[in-house]
Amino acid sequence: QQQVKQSPQSLIVQKGGIPIINCAYENTAFDYFPWYQQFPGKGPALLIAIRPDVSEKKEGRFTISFNKSAKQFSLHIMDSQPGDSATYFCAPPWVSNSNSGYALNFGKGTSLLVTP
Amino acid sequence: IAGITQAPTSQILAAGRRMTLRCTQDMRHNAMYWYRQDLGLGLRLIHYSNTAGTTGKGEVPDGYSVSRANTDDFPLTLASAVPSQTSVYFCASSASPGQGGYTFGSGTRLTVV
Repeated sequence: QQQVKQSPQSLIVQKGGIPIINCAYENTAFDYFPWYQQFPGKGPALLIAIRPDVSEKKEGRFTISFNKSAKQFSLHIMDSQPGDSATYFCAPPWVSNSNSGYALNFGKGTSLLVTP
Repeated sequence: IAGITQAPTSQILAAGRRMTLRCTQDMRHNAMYWYRQDLGLGLRLIHYSNTAGTTGKGEVPDGYSVSRANTDDFPLTLASAVPSQTSVYFCASSASPGQGGYTFGSGTRLTVV
């Protein structure tokens, strides 16, 4: 099993704070590194993704920082809001050892609570 | 609205029974996936299909089987359910195996008693 280490497991910040969620991965063969956001009772939804030819990508209040040599990427949420309270998953690529199968390998998730 | 439809939404199943979870997408995506989500364990890949007619095993395939007879449908079958298969099951799809984001269904909450 290819390991994905996501941290922290849970996080509480006040409104306006900048929560940071980290993800370490093993597979270096692919070029797509996403973060997913999941609200209770819903399926995960793509939030933001990065390709390793850049070190940072911003979309609105969400920023990915990517460190290819360290095999790590992080999610930063600027000016966090109570509506950002959700579970966040990193999902670096997974590849089958037995065939050409390819999928995303989800971390265990980070539960974020943004207090008013 | 384009997306993924999963059925049933929830189910209570007696141990030993056979059950098929249905998944249909209308986006003509080539790749489809089944994940299970358990508290503290995140989403774990059960089976995947890179394209119609092909399937492969993910991280936790034991006790599950899939088929991909056409592009739109990717059913997941539990041949003989056990309590450890109690979970929330998500079906997802992507335009191709290696590119782009996944679209997820709303999930099936399965309880095996």
